[in-house]
Amino acid sequence: DAGVIQSPRHEVTEMGQEVTLRCKPISGHNSLFWYRQTMMRGLELLIYFNNNVPIDDSGMPEDRFSAKMPNASFSTLKIQPSEPRDSAVYFCASSYPGQGQPQHFGDGTRLSIL
Amino acid sequence: GEDVEQSLFLSVREGDSSVINCTYTDSSSTYLYWYKQEPGAGLQLLTYIFSNMDMKQDQRLTVLLNKKDKHLSLRIADTQTGDSAIYFCAESISNDMRFGAGTRLTVKP
Repeated sequence: DAGVIQSPRHEVTEMGQEVTLRCKPISGHNSLFWYRQTMMRGLELLIYFNNNVPIDDSGMPEDRFSAKMPNASFSTLKIQPSEPRDSAVYFCASSYPGQGQPQHFGDGTRLSIL
Repeated sequence: GEDVEQSLFLSVREGDSSVINCTYTDSSSTYLYWYKQEPGAGLQLLTYIFSNMDMKQDQRLTVLLNKKDKHLSLRIADTQTGDSAIYFCAESISNDMRFGAGTRLTVKP
């Protein structure tokens, strides 16, 4: 079975550029989560969706970050304009809905903003 | 406290047992989880325990749950070099999960 698929695996770009990260959740999973991981702050939840609807975006750092889920099999996280402090590993995870359902993670996108 | 707490580092010798400890926050959490993260990879679900249990064993892994103290532990028997990774404790919160900062396990030959 295919797991959560993220692309690209690595992204290096210059500050000011727009960055788009992509995620395909596991088929049948109705909840999707975006996380950011850094050495300093650990794993931070940015936003999560249930049935394609954003439920909690309180973790999105600022207006430069936006996330969409146009359908059940695809989500994007966009940073515009990007800054060096956005450099991190960004993970997407998905799960069945409801309390107690474990999240399944993709392999992440390692983002470097120069 | 508001955070799921774990020690940041643990070092053991190959063949010894490893015990990773965690203190979680919400006494109503129904499930508690252990995830493993290897370098360059995402978090992989290792095992989980339902809150009405106090122990779960799965091959070399033993999970112990003390609900009174909100304490969770993961014991790895006969630790191997391939077990070197970061281990995250997590609790279920409503439709979300709360993760600890992770414990980096180093296994020395």
